[in-house]
Amino acid sequence: EAGVTQFPSHSVIEKGQTVTLRCDPISGHDNLYWYRRVMGKEIKFLLHFVKESKQDESGMPNNRFLAERTGGTYSTLKVQPAELEDSGVYFCASSVRTGGSPLHFGNGTRLTVT
Amino acid sequence: GDSVTQMEGPVTLSEEAFLTINCTYTATGYPSLFWYVQYPGEGLQLLLKATKADDKGSNKGFEATYRKETTSFHLEKGSVQVSDSAVYFCALSNAGNNRKLIWGLGTSLAVNP
Repeated sequence: EAGVTQFPSHSVIEKGQTVTLRCDPISGHDNLYWYRRVMGKEIKFLLHFVKESKQDESGMPNNRFLAERTGGTYSTLKVQPAELEDSGVYFCASSVRTGGSPLHFGNGTRLTVT
Repeated sequence: GDSVTQMEGPVTLSEEAFLTINCTYTATGYPSLFWYVQYPGEGLQLLLKATKADDKGSNKGFEATYRKETTSFHLEKGSVQVSDSAVYFCALSNAGNNRKLIWGLGTSLAVNP
């Protein structure tokens, strides 16, 4: 089966611009998660979708971040406007069920805001 | 709140050396514990896990034992290979939090031939 895919793999943008990251989970996986690793810090949870519904968005840093999962398939994470501190690696993961089933991670999108 | 503390890297070893990467945690209740690995240019992969006290997770020659009395989940391997060079992350997940993982900082391991 195809794994979790993320686009783009790298993105370099200027402060104030908008960037949209995309995640395609494994087909049939209802659960989709976004995580972020800022340089030198821990990977942090951002949010969790079950199908198209946001189950938990407690980790979203502020209202410049907008995540969607229309139709319960792929998800996008938009940052608008981007700030320097948004630089980092954004990981997406999916799983079949909420508890007990393993998380499958994508390779991540490295975002650099200059 | 819940947290994970991992030994700082980078760790550099020679091939066939013994590896220990320390991981301790703070959590309410009875979390599940994980080790993830990220090889160069790849995504995070689950290496092993343990879901209750005294459980031992193992995979690819790596082992870690869930020690509730010391709140630890140290990763060990008896003889590392060059192909084990990667970044290793310790993480926990508490019941009822929808698999929201709490992560350590990660430890970079470089194994030299």
